[in-house]
Amino acid sequence: AQTVTQSQPEMSVQEAETVTLSCTYDTSESDYYLFWYKQPPSRQMILVIRQEAYKQQNATENRFSVNFQKAAKSFSLKISDSQLGDAAMYFCAYRSALNAPLVFGKGTRLSVIA
Amino acid sequence: NAGVTQTPKFRVLKTGQSMTLLCAQDMNHEYMYWYRQDPGMGLRLIHYSVGEGTTAKGEVPDGYNVSRLKKQNFLLGLESAAPSQTSVYFCASSYSGTGRSPLHFGNGTRLTVT
Repeated sequence: AQTVTQSQPEMSVQEAETVTLSCTYDTSESDYYLFWYKQPPSRQMILVIRQEAYKQQNATENRFSVNFQKAAKSFSLKISDSQLGDAAMYFCAYRSALNAPLVFGKGTRLSVIA
Repeated sequence: NAGVTQTPKFRVLKTGQSMTLLCAQDMNHEYMYWYRQDPGMGLRLIHYSVGEGTTAKGEVPDGYNVSRLKKQNFLLGLESAAPSQTSVYFCASSYSGTGRSPLHFGNGTRLTVT
C-alpha cells in the first residue's frame, strides 16, 4: 500500500519570506498523481497544487510551486512571499493513476509570523 | 452550485447511540468517499463508493456502515457510537477515480461521542 510521510508536524515562516514543506511517499507504481491540500481554520479542504508523475516539469500555481523528485519519491511544496492567509494545515496526498482513493500524509501546520 | 454538502455540521452522541451522516453532491460525480480526521493522523479513508449501489472498505472501516442508494447521496452510519469515533468526518466526491479528477470536499462534520 502507498504511504505518504510529512516529517514536519509544525513549521513557521516570517511574512514575505519563503518556506518549504517536505513530503515523501512510497509506491511501486510509475504512474500516479501528487497533491498539496490546504486546510485553514475554517476546516475547508482546498486544493493548492497537483503534479502528474509522468510530467518532469514542476507544477506552479502563483506563489506555490513544487519540487518533484521522482527517483527520490519526494514532493516538497514551496510557498514564496508568505502571507498571513497562508497559515493553515497542509496535507500532501497521493493518488494512483488507477481507480484508487486519495492517500494523505499526517499534515504540517504552518504558522505565518507578521 | 452547492458542490458537496454534509449534514449535520456538529453532533454530540452518547456511547451506544446511533446516527447517520448524510453527504450530498450535485455535480453528478461517480465516486464518493468518507474520511475521518484526527489530530496528528491526517485524513484516513473509512469507506468509498465507485458508483450508485457500490461500496468498498477503506483503511479504517470498523464500526461504520455506508450506503449509496442514489448517485448523489452517500450515507455514513454509526450503529453503536464509541468515544474512539470522536472525530471530524469529511465527505468528498470526484467525477472519476483517476488523479486527473480532483476531489471536492464537504466542510466536515464534527462528531463528539461522550
